[in-house]
Amino acid sequence: DTEVTQTPKHLVMGMTNKKSLKCEQHMGHRAMYWYKQKAKKPPELMFVYSYEKLSINESVPSRFSPECPNSSLLNLHLHALQPEDSALYLCASSHPGVNEQFFGPGTRLTVL
Amino acid sequence: AQSVTQLGSHVSVSEGALVLLRCNYSSSVPPYLFWYVQYPNQGLQLLLKYTTGATLVKGINGFEAEFKKSETSFHLTKPSAHMSDAAEYFCAVTPLLGNNDMRFGAGTRLTVKP
Repeated sequence: DTEVTQTPKHLVMGMTNKKSLKCEQHMGHRAMYWYKQKAKKPPELMFVYSYEKLSINESVPSRFSPECPNSSLLNLHLHALQPEDSALYLCASSHPGVNEQFFGPGTRLTVL
Repeated sequence: AQSVTQLGSHVSVSEGALVLLRCNYSSSVPPYLFWYVQYPNQGLQLLLKYTTGATLVKGINGFEAEFKKSETSFHLTKPSAHMSDAAEYFCAVTPLLGNNDMRFGAGTRLTVKP
């Protein structure tokens, strides 16, 4: 299995909702990432987990809360989002250290 | 901190023509370099990467890139464009040491005309 899966594919939520994005990989990778991508822009790194521990938090607002329950799963919990948080959220995984990252197809999030 | 600059936000070529997408990196120590492609409404797919060794790197779909330390460049080329190559291309860099925090260039949209 050489793919990263993300669910849901699309998500529409109100500013008072709580929702979660899920990411899964079975490639034995011990590093996992969340990126945010706005339209016509490059992905921006949000969080990095290495061996299930948060190693990078790029000053992301607390309304985004990551969780890595095990080496195959990565969640992003969303609460009290703003319309400007609407974007494509990409998950990626890699072997720890410097290696290429494998990306999932993303979750298209719309905040109303 | 490492960064990459992609010259040209939009490149248009005719089918069968040479594709050249430019990428320059900024780092005192040569980093690891990558090219990714993104098709509409999809995630990113790795085209090729440079870590160490041979400076001419061959990737998927007929693409290749050459690492030139003297020019701090890592330009992507393909001898003959195909309609299916139309997509967004991102150059990316990671440091030699650290947490693999990948930084992307602004992207270049490739259009292929029939």
